[in-house]
Amino acid sequence: GAVVSQHPSWVICKSGTSVKIECRSLDFQATTMFWYRQFPKQSLMLMATSNEGSKATYEQGVEKDKFLINHASLTLSTLTVTSAHPEDSSFYICSAPRGEGGWLGYTFGSGTRLTVV
Amino acid sequence: AQSVTQLDSQVPVFEEAPVELRCNYSSSVSVYLFWYVQYPNQGLQLLLKYLSGSTLVKGINGFEAEFNKSQTSFHLRKPSVHISDTAEYFCAVSVNSGNTPLVFGKGTRLSVIA
Repeated sequence: GAVVSQHPSWVICKSGTSVKIECRSLDFQATTMFWYRQFPKQSLMLMATSNEGSKATYEQGVEKDKFLINHASLTLSTLTVTSAHPEDSSFYICSAPRGEGGWLGYTFGSGTRLTVV
Repeated sequence: AQSVTQLDSQVPVFEEAPVELRCNYSSSVSVYLFWYVQYPNQGLQLLLKYLSGSTLVKGINGFEAEFNKSQTSFHLRKPSVHISDTAEYFCAVSVNSGNTPLVFGKGTRLSVIA
């Protein structure tokens, strides 16, 4: 089945540094990738939508300059948390839809646990 | 815009008892409906989805859900739960056109008690 490989699965970084999270679609072309953030014991909140070859669309309240999204190819989308601070600590998950409206399914990465110290 | 309401944040249930996790949605357009399960520190696993056709959908691990258009509901059920079913369950909806993101409910924590 369709797989999205997300790396790293967990990362600890110092405050002020940047962290890059990668999501690769292994056996299908992901023209769109959704990036979600999940706080402990809470639901997934959409941060941004990336489309291959174009600028990402960010949800209201998400800082574009802090969360840089790049979707340079049909198989790779990246999220870079710049100048990370402890409040950026969270679980980040990517998701790629397959088929119109996701009727073939939404494939999720396994998530990245980011801890900023 | 679409929205999803999961009425119960936590559901404790004894092992081998039946369970129902409730989900209601709101949308002005046709939608697809999904149930996902999440184990601690893991991504989401699809349990089942409703696209069209039969309103009773069967998924993995013995789960099923019934789409009720008049009540805008998509409740998840399992006739007999196991300890291993303890997890967070999310109901989600997408618009059935274009590349639109899933909109998730707040989740229901299912705790199976031995």
